[in-house]
Formats: sequence, structure tokens, C-alpha cells
Amino acid sequence: DSGVTQTPKHLITATGQRVTLRCSPRSGDLSVYWYQQSLDQGLQFLIQYYNGEERAKGNILERFSAQQFPDLHSELNLSSLELGDSALYFCASSAWGTSGNTIYFGEGSWLTVV
Amino acid sequence: QQQVKQSPQSLIVQKGGISIINCAYENTAFDYFPWYQQFPGKGPALLIAIRPDVSEKKEGRFTISFNKSAKQFSLHIMDSQPGDSATYFCAARGRGGGADGLTFGKGTHLIIQP
Repeated sequence: DSGVTQTPKHLITATGQRVTLRCSPRSGDLSVYWYQQSLDQGLQFLIQYYNGEERAKGNILERFSAQQFPDLHSELNLSSLELGDSALYFCASSAWGTSGNTIYFGEGSWLTVV
Repeated sequence: QQQVKQSPQSLIVQKGGISIINCAYENTAFDYFPWYQQFPGKGPALLIAIRPDVSEKKEGRFTISFNKSAKQFSLHIMDSQPGDSATYFCAARGRGGGADGLTFGKGTHLIIQP
């Protein structure tokens, strides 16, 4: 158990809808990362928050947004969903944002868009 | 743009053999190179990591070899066991990559045959 908790584990929704994925980082970790895993694209870095502030952006679509709250949990909001958004979404956390610090992954949220 | 290239995509090794997975990177600002192991239905878990100031790091049956001039690194699994069957991802991280998040290779599906 990595200590990173993600909910829901599975989600099925229709195209055009909006969903929110939730993540609780490991106790004490200030940095939260979101990744998307699909068969054809592998693990893609979406966005990172550090202590409530956006720290870095990767390949995140404009239809997607995230935030990190004062209690350090994070939410990833996916809107105007398309079939291609079906993927496994991982949250990860680390103690701080500097290079070299171990990143721990949750077990992911499976999103299926139908 | 794929900044970390991983090969092979899939690998079958006999029990007791050596599994070798290779990665190459482009961004010379990367300064931390972890390998992650992922079992079906689970999130990636850190296996072993190396910084470019050393050429090799060994932890049990797992060894990373690093060639800074060639911008390549590889994972060797000695005495491979059926329990090692998983997907392995190499990754790279560093501020020069534009994000503090990890940039992953596309993964290698490893099967150890008993």
C-alpha cells in the first residue's frame, strides 16, 4: 500500500459529461501529481500541485483542470468527456517537488466514457 | 515528442535468466532516472533509481546501468522469477524537462516463463 488513496476506483459515464476524481496523498506529502495511462500513450504526466499551488503542467487538455486544497487532497476535473478520455488516471504524491524525491502512486481511477 | 524511449515493448525470459530492458533519453537536463514496476490493477511502484553521477546501482537482483555520454540506461533483472512478471517503466525527471513530474517510457511487458 503506497498510502495514496484515489476515489472512485471505477467510473462509467457518457460522452459530454463531467467527472471529478479525488486523491488523498500520503500523510505529510506536499506534492501531488496526476497521470493518465492509456494503452497507446503510456503514462502521461498531466499536472503537479505543490502545497496548494500549481507547480508544473504536462499534457493536460484544456477540458481538464485540477486543484489542491488546504488539506492537501486534490481533485482532477474532466469535462466535456470524449470516448478517447477513457483511461486509467493515477494520482501520485511526494514529500516535496524537487528532482529525485520518490513519487508514490495510488491504484488509479478507471474511467470509461461510453 | 517522446523524451524517453524504451525497448523492447514485450519480453519473454525463462526462469533463472537475465531480463534486460533499455531506455534512451534526449533531454540532458534530466538528473534522476527511476524504474517503476506495475502489476495488473495496481499503480506503478518504485523499483530502483539512479542519478547520472554513478554508472551502476544494484539492489538485490535488480541493477541499473547508466551511460551518460550515450544518454542511455538499462535495467537488468538477474535470476528472473515468475513473480517478476509485470510491466516495467523507465522514467526521467528534472527541471529542465519542463515539469517536476516524471517522463515515462512506454513500458515493457515482461513475462517470466517457469
